[in-house]
Amino acid sequence: GAGVSQSPRYKVAKRGQDVALRCDPISGHVSLFWYQQALGQGPEFLTYFQNEAQLDKSGLPSDRFFAERPEGSVSTLKIQRTQQEDSAVYLCASSRGLAGGRAEQFFGPGTRLTVL
Amino acid sequence: AQSVAQPEDQVNVAEGNPLTVKCTYSVSGNPYLFWYVQYPNRGLQFLLKYITGDNLVKGSYGFEAEFNKSQTSFHLKKPSALVSDSALYFCAVRGSNAGKSTFGDGTTLTVKP
Repeated sequence: GAGVSQSPRYKVAKRGQDVALRCDPISGHVSLFWYQQALGQGPEFLTYFQNEAQLDKSGLPSDRFFAERPEGSVSTLKIQRTQQEDSAVYLCASSRGLAGGRAEQFFGPGTRLTVL
Repeated sequence: AQSVAQPEDQVNVAEGNPLTVKCTYSVSGNPYLFWYVQYPNRGLQFLLKYITGDNLVKGSYGFEAEFNKSQTSFHLKKPSALVSDSALYFCAVRGSNAGKSTFGDGTTLTVKP
C-alpha cells in the first residue's frame, strides 16, 4: 500500500500498562508527525521528526510519552504507565518535505487507545 | 502561539446549494493554511492549501478556499454541494518555517438531498 499505516488499529490497556503504537510512513517521506485526537476535537500536536531527528516534542503531555524514529522511517510512540486520560485516537502523518516546508501531510487511519 | 477557530460545529446545506465552512487563524509570520476532510472510519485527507500567491486556491472534489489576510480567514467553499460531501472538515495552520501544525476542532458538514 502507498499510504501511511498504523498498528494496532485498536488497543485496550489496563491502567498502568505500557503500550507501543507503530507508524509506517509513506516511503521516502522525510517528516513524520504524531497527534492525539480526543473525541469531538481536532488533532493535537504531540511531536515531529525530520528523518531520525526529533525536532519538537513540546506537545507530549508528560514524561510517560516517548517517541522514536531510529532509522528515519518507522516510528513508535510509547506510553508508559497508561492513565485513563490517555484514551484517545493517536494519529500519525508523514510529509515528503521538510517539516517547516510547504508540503501537506498524509495521515494514517489512527490507533484508538482505550485505557480501562 | 498559533491557533485556529472553526466557529461552527455543524453546517447544514441542501444538495445543489453553495456551502461555506469558516476558519480563522492566528500565527506569527506568514501562514501556511490547510483544509483536511475526515470521513467516518477513515484518516484525514488533504483537500487544499494556501502557501503564497493567488488568494483563491482550488483543491480536490471541486472545493476552493479564499485566503483573506486582513480578516485572518481561510473559509472553505464549494459552489454546489453534494450529499457525498457530508463529512468532518478540519482547518489547520502553521507558520512558515515552523514544523508544528495547529488544527481547529472541526466542522461537521451535512448535505441533505
